[in-house]
Amino acid sequence: DGGITQSPKYLFRKEGQNVTLSCEQNLNHDAMYWYRQDPGQGLRLIYYSQIVNDFQKGDIAEGYSVSREKKESFPLTVTSAQKNPTAFYLCAISTGGGQPQHFGDGTRLSIL
Amino acid sequence: DAKTTQPNSMESNEEEPVHLPCNHSTISGTDYIHWYRQLPSQGPEYVIHGLTSNVNNRMASLAIAEDRKSSTLILHRATLRDAAVYYCILRPPINAGGTSYGKLTFGQGTILTVHP
Repeated sequence: DGGITQSPKYLFRKEGQNVTLSCEQNLNHDAMYWYRQDPGQGLRLIYYSQIVNDFQKGDIAEGYSVSREKKESFPLTVTSAQKNPTAFYLCAISTGGGQPQHFGDGTRLSIL
Repeated sequence: DAKTTQPNSMESNEEEPVHLPCNHSTISGTDYIHWYRQLPSQGPEYVIHGLTSNVNNRMASLAIAEDRKSSTLILHRATLRDAAVYYCILRPPINAGGTSYGKLTFGQGTILTVHP
């Protein structure tokens, strides 16, 4: 989607390794979100952030960490504590109120 | 979070209208009704949203029941590019100091197949 960039598109993790997924936006939206999608399933919320230097756990935050040091960036780290990290990870952004979220193209993470 | 119920799958022919239903009997007064669709290996794409009144945009129309317990996404003329998984989602508004942060809770969605 225009204005949201996720990288890399594909990522491989070794056992015991932390990896960081990038999400950058240039639309000046306040809210940013990370979701995880498993095959044949809907998306599940990992973390979200409404403003810089503030973020909240979603429904499945265990084994993940985030930071929001800049408005345009919301990186997600998949730690070694996440025992089943293989999934499709999606970043989204939104303005306030009940406005829609706009998603990036996703990062597919696999375990070597 | 209020839940939605959608059929697992629907089929349509190209150039015909498609009506995708969604039931949300536990909707609260401040929940927005959002529709997204997703193609394989892509992020979801926003389609349309509404609160109480019917809505139209270039992609689709959203018909909301008077009691807001159900809604229907209408694709006026289906094309092959409309084949996707369609998600009906209730989204609470982002409230300052609140806990919802406008998050989306995705269900299984409806797989729409469009036949040439």
